[in-house]
Amino acid sequence: SQQGEEDPQALSIQEGENATMNCSYKTSINNLQWYRQNSGRGLVHLILIRSNEREKHSGRLRVTLDTSKKSSSLLITASRAADTASYFCATDARGGSEKLVFGKGTKLTVNP
Amino acid sequence: DAGITQSPRHKVTETGTPVTLRCHQTENHRYMYWYRQDPGHGLRLIHYSYGVKDTDKGEVSDGYSVSRSKTEDFLLTLESATSSQTSVYFCAIRETGTGSYNEQFFGPGTRLTVL
Repeated sequence: SQQGEEDPQALSIQEGENATMNCSYKTSINNLQWYRQNSGRGLVHLILIRSNEREKHSGRLRVTLDTSKKSSSLLITASRAADTASYFCATDARGGSEKLVFGKGTKLTVNP
Repeated sequence: DAGITQSPRHKVTETGTPVTLRCHQTENHRYMYWYRQDPGHGLRLIHYSYGVKDTDKGEVSDGYSVSRSKTEDFLLTLESATSSQTSVYFCAIRETGTGSYNEQFFGPGTRLTVL
């Protein structure tokens, strides 16, 4: 079964609003990553947060990690129509696994 | 795009035929991965490679084999294609080295339809 599960499955907002997506996972991790996928394209790495970090920022992205709850959130501030995409979290197991396990994704639609 | 190409980009084939998908990278990365993406399932790992001739199975490896005879190419073979293998297939590489923490970078994907 998959490690990460995103919530909600789909999210529709207006341009300029903030979008928050959540990810829960089951086992201890080394790090958690977020990826974006535009329709018909490959995944693009957005941001990585290590297990000893609680919050990380990159431009309009803010990621938090709560290892006690085994959860992470991705906040996109001041959303734009170009942010319309699916967003996936991915985790690798503590111990140095070379493999990532991806969740099923949140489909974000930003309406102009 | 991390110098990753996949070929073909689209393929339609018939049940029972063998199919080989190619992933090519230009930046000498050690780790390469094959995933499939299906509605409702996200990305699932099929096989991965950690060096020339070094491969291992992923979550959904049944019906698939891989080969890596040189660093730049990672081949995925469906030995006898079935309709359940209709999917979009993605290749990825993993960044390694100082400052890297297992980030992966993906190719553009191959859409495979098995009739």
